[in-house]
Amino acid sequence: AQSVTQPDIHITVSEGASLELRCNYSYGATPYLFWYVQSPGQGLQLLLKYFSGDTLVQGIKGFEAEFKRSQSSFNLRKPSVHWSDAAEYFCAVGPLGHQGGKLIFGQGTELSVKP
Amino acid sequence: KAGVTQTPRYLIKTRGQQVTLSCSPISGHRSVSWYQQTPGQGLQFLFEYFSETQRNKGNFPGRFSGRQFSNSRSEMNVSTLELGDSALYLCASSFPRGKQSQETQYFGPGTRLLVL
Repeated sequence: AQSVTQPDIHITVSEGASLELRCNYSYGATPYLFWYVQSPGQGLQLLLKYFSGDTLVQGIKGFEAEFKRSQSSFNLRKPSVHWSDAAEYFCAVGPLGHQGGKLIFGQGTELSVKP
Repeated sequence: KAGVTQTPRYLIKTRGQQVTLSCSPISGHRSVSWYQQTPGQGLQFLFEYFSETQRNKGNFPGRFSGRQFSNSRSEMNVSTLELGDSALYLCASSFPRGKQSQETQYFGPGTRLLVL
């Protein structure tokens, strides 16, 4: 079955500290992977995506993620967290081409930032 | 370029009523997907439309339906509303690039539906 797991429901980090949000997926075919961020009452904003090629992808707002096929993981990282990064983060996996509309999301990780 | 827009942003209905939500995709995008977001079930795929045809469908009852117009704008309809339909309904648009290409979905702000 296709699924995405974000093991951490809630994470608190201090401002300026590094961040890693975990994402594991189960997918039968070659996936493409996304991280989205959602601020309260808002829609989802795309942070970064991976389809193929370099397994370390750079995104907006200083985020990066690394695809590890052997571990079925796509963890999101940021070297120094800012207070404005407090939000909910979603990892998603989807197929190619004509099935592309059907993203499967993890349950999300809520990030709190301590001053 | 304007993003995905959804109307209305907030809606209150009572059980048994029906509701129609609207989504205008990014200019040039031809695919529109709908998702339901609730605290208990998270983000769940409802359906996707491409060129006025439903291309994918999630596991929701027939009370949930949608359509897409020739200008790619999409509507979703929920009939006979139930309390459990209270949710944030998100629309996403993408520009299909063919069978072996990725489709990146860009999301709108959502419509918050409350069923009383």
